[in-house]
Amino acid sequence: SQTIHQWPATLVQPVGSPLSLECTVEGTSNPNLYWYRQAAGRGLQLLFYSVGIGQISSEVPQNLSASRPQDRQFILSSKKLLLSDSGFYLCAWSVPRTGWDTEAFFGQGTRLTVV
Amino acid sequence: DQQVKQNSPSLSVQEGRISILNCDYTNSMFDYFLWYKKYPAEGPTFLISISSIKDKNEDGRFTVFLNKSAKHLSLHIVPSQPGDSAVYFCAARSNSGGGADGLTFGKGTHLIIQP
Repeated sequence: SQTIHQWPATLVQPVGSPLSLECTVEGTSNPNLYWYRQAAGRGLQLLFYSVGIGQISSEVPQNLSASRPQDRQFILSSKKLLLSDSGFYLCAWSVPRTGWDTEAFFGQGTRLTVV
Repeated sequence: DQQVKQNSPSLSVQEGRISILNCDYTNSMFDYFLWYKKYPAEGPTFLISISSIKDKNEDGRFTVFLNKSAKHLSLHIVPSQPGDSAVYFCAARSNSGGGADGLTFGKGTHLIIQP
């Protein structure tokens, strides 16, 4: 069966510090991978998606970047965190779409607080 | 511009009764709709979905209805149970996704089941 691992679960970082959140998927090959963020009072917002190694698409301009160094590894990074980067970050994967019955599966999330 | 709207931030329903969660969308390119359930500090979990070629999908206590002409969908939970208390997110996918399946989410509705 497929599983998704995301870490750390919680993180408190000072403004201006770097960030690295990692996500790995097991039990599937060539998944689509996603980073979402849920900011306070807002819904889940798609930040990045990747359809393959080294292929990253950004949905919104921001202080963050993403990389996919391996097929089942997705990393969210920042060189200098801002207060507005605080939120709940979720990694997700899905099977490349071949029909109607596909959905995204989420990790447990990382609560990031920038202080 | 929010393409998926959940206009009720919260909903309180008595145990045993029917819970109805509503969702409206504006993008006519959306062709697949999903409902996710989320507990605090956890990632969302997939609940039920419906494709645009159907108007109803049922899975146990959960039924999703889609009204394409009104660009409206709803989730019915019958009967409501205490464990159903959570935040429910409506999500939609566009058939012009360009190969990736990024989802557009609503802001969520906090369902509270009262004993």
